[in-house]
Amino acid sequence: EPEVTQTPSHQVTQMGQEVILRCVPISNHLYFYWYRQILGQKVEFLVSFYNNEISEKSEIFDDQFSVERPDGSNFTLKIRSTKLEDSAMYFCASRRETGRGTPLHFGNGTRLTVT
Amino acid sequence: DQQVKQNSPSLSVQEGRISILNCDYTNSMFDYFLWYKKYPAEGPTFLISISSIKDKNEDGRFTVFLNKSAKHLSLHIVPSQPGDSAVYFCAARDDTGNQFYFGTGTSLTVIP
Repeated sequence: EPEVTQTPSHQVTQMGQEVILRCVPISNHLYFYWYRQILGQKVEFLVSFYNNEISEKSEIFDDQFSVERPDGSNFTLKIRSTKLEDSAMYFCASRRETGRGTPLHFGNGTRLTVT
Repeated sequence: DQQVKQNSPSLSVQEGRISILNCDYTNSMFDYFLWYKKYPAEGPTFLISISSIKDKNEDGRFTVFLNKSAKHLSLHIVPSQPGDSAVYFCAARDDTGNQFYFGTGTSLTVIP
C-alpha cells in the first residue's frame, strides 16, 4: 500500500539554525499538509498546499516557516531560524482529492529537537 | 480554541470487551469526522470515518456513531484486542476549507 515517507526520522539542531524537513507524499495525491505535535499536546495544523501554492495556514505558520514542492515528488517544510519551542514531531500528510470522503494519510513523522 | 475535544486521556479495557472512545466538537460546520490510531514512533493511521449525513458507520470491529444534535461522536471497538492498544485521535473537517482539526487523543490499553 502506498505510503507517505518522511526524512529524517530525527533531527537535532541548534537554536537559530535552519532546518528542512522532507516528505514524499503518495504519488497520486493532490493535497499536502504539515502538522506538528508538541510532546503531550494535540496534533496541530500548520499548513495545507494545493496546486503549487499554500491553500490554508495556521497562526503557528509564521514567516519563519515555508513550504515548497521543488519537484514532482518532494514536499518540504523549512524553518528558517529554529526556536526551542519548535521542538516537536512534525507530520506530513497527503490527501487524494477534495470532497468529503478523503482522509489524510500521514507519514511517520520527523522528531525535531532544538537545543 | 479547542474545536475537537477528547476528554478522556486514557482508557483501560479487558480483552474481548467493548472499548468506547468519545469525542465532542463545537463547530457546527464540521461535516466529516475521522478516527485515527497512533502507535509510538509512527504517524497517525486512518481508521474509520463518517459523513455528517450519516449517524453510524461500521467497518469490522470498529463502529463510529455520530450524534449531530449533541455534537458528539464515539468509536466502538468490539471485541477489543491487545493489538488495539494505541492512542486514538478524533478529527473533523469543515466544508469551508482543507483543514482537519484533531483532538488531544485517548490512550487505549487493552489488557490481555
